[in-house]
Amino acid sequence: EPEVTQTPSHQVTQMGQEVILRCVPISNHLYFYWYRQILGQKVEFLVSFYNNEISEKSEIFDDQFSVERPDGSNFTLKIRSTKLEDSAMYFCASREGSGGALVTDTQYFGPGTRLTVL
Amino acid sequence: QKEVEQNSGPLSVPEGAIASLNCTYSDRGSQSFFWYRQYSGKSPELIMFIYSNGDKEDGRFTAQLNKASQYVSLLIRDSQPSDSATYLCAVNSPGYALNFGKGTSLLVTP
Repeated sequence: EPEVTQTPSHQVTQMGQEVILRCVPISNHLYFYWYRQILGQKVEFLVSFYNNEISEKSEIFDDQFSVERPDGSNFTLKIRSTKLEDSAMYFCASREGSGGALVTDTQYFGPGTRLTVL
Repeated sequence: QKEVEQNSGPLSVPEGAIASLNCTYSDRGSQSFFWYRQYSGKSPELIMFIYSNGDKEDGRFTAQLNKASQYVSLLIRDSQPSDSATYLCAVNSPGYALNFGKGTSLLVTP
């Protein structure tokens, strides 16, 4: 069964450093998402991406964040200058979005990257 | 602010019993409703989605939706210890991001 993959599984970085989190969405999916979950808190939406551009973003997704689809398979989230409060699990998700009944178009989540900022 | 509310629990049920998990949402424009299961340290795993009022059954799971009351629930029949996890309610409108509740922790005791 196709699945979303993410690398690395755990990333430790120093405050102020740049990190890039990588995701490979399911191959025929067209819509991609990043969510994060701070320990003990709810899953929060960061950004969605379609047709090589951002389609929606939350207040969390400020100028420190960027996303890119550098090739036909990878989808990346970059944090330019990490802060302590960026420590969280980051989940990538994708959905097919092939048209028809969009209302039933389900998002499938990758296993996540645990980011620890020291 | 669009809110999705869940009782954080923990909800404790004995093995074999029915577990009932509830969720309310504030955005009347929401059209799709999802239940995800999340084990500690893992990613959300889809259990069911529902978008029409009424009940939807899938194996031991039944999702119930009442749009007038802005209420969605998940029933787990014949609960097993392996069902012990946090259950996340998520809602959205088509094409938009999921808005998650904080989740309800379920503990099924042998």
